[in-house]
Amino acid sequence: AQKITQTQPGMFVQEKEAVTLDCTYDTSDPSYGLFWYKQPSSGEMIFLIYQGSYDQQNATEGRYSLNFQKARKSANLVISASQLGDSAMYFCAMRDRKTGNQFYFGTGTSLTVIP
Amino acid sequence: NAGVTQTPKFRVLKTGQSMTLLCAQDMNHEYMYWYRQDPGMGLRLIHYSVGEGTTAKGEVPDGYNVSRLKKQNFLLGLESAAPSQTSVYFCASRMDRVGNTIYFGEGSWLTVV
Repeated sequence: AQKITQTQPGMFVQEKEAVTLDCTYDTSDPSYGLFWYKQPSSGEMIFLIYQGSYDQQNATEGRYSLNFQKARKSANLVISASQLGDSAMYFCAMRDRKTGNQFYFGTGTSLTVIP
Repeated sequence: NAGVTQTPKFRVLKTGQSMTLLCAQDMNHEYMYWYRQDPGMGLRLIHYSVGEGTTAKGEVPDGYNVSRLKKQNFLLGLESAAPSQTSVYFCASRMDRVGNTIYFGEGSWLTVV
């Protein structure tokens, strides 16, 4: 069963606009962590943001914020004021207590920022 | 500022050849992982290790072997390469069971012809 689902294979956003990348997850464990990574064309995976299942507030890191809706099991990434350098693949990932040692990744969303 | 280093970055193999990918981390992390990335499939876990001398299977272990003889190194071996193993391979490490952040290497592009 798919643990992480990203339904948007590709997204376009105008420079300086905000964009939301969708992510839903599946776990029965009350303790889990959610992550977003960026993969530019150069290939490396860059950690962006983390949300713990018990965190009361939505995580924020600069222009990145995570819209955490626990009841809906969604963890959408919001990028504000998009920049050309934001064009990349974005992966949502999860780690829960049952899998413990493993991170599960979604299939990714390709974001293109249009000047 | 090395972090996680993978070698080689690029390799072309003939079907049936063997090779080893080396992953080295200098952060004293306990956990190490090997993933493969294929178009439309995201990252899939091949094998992982929770400490020196330990290894475990992930989602797609067939055709691969691993070893963790030293804490800082995690080797991924292909004994008899197949075209289906053409992929981008990522090594990653994590501090321990409590640590939340996983650090990736830059990837190794492998083509099997």
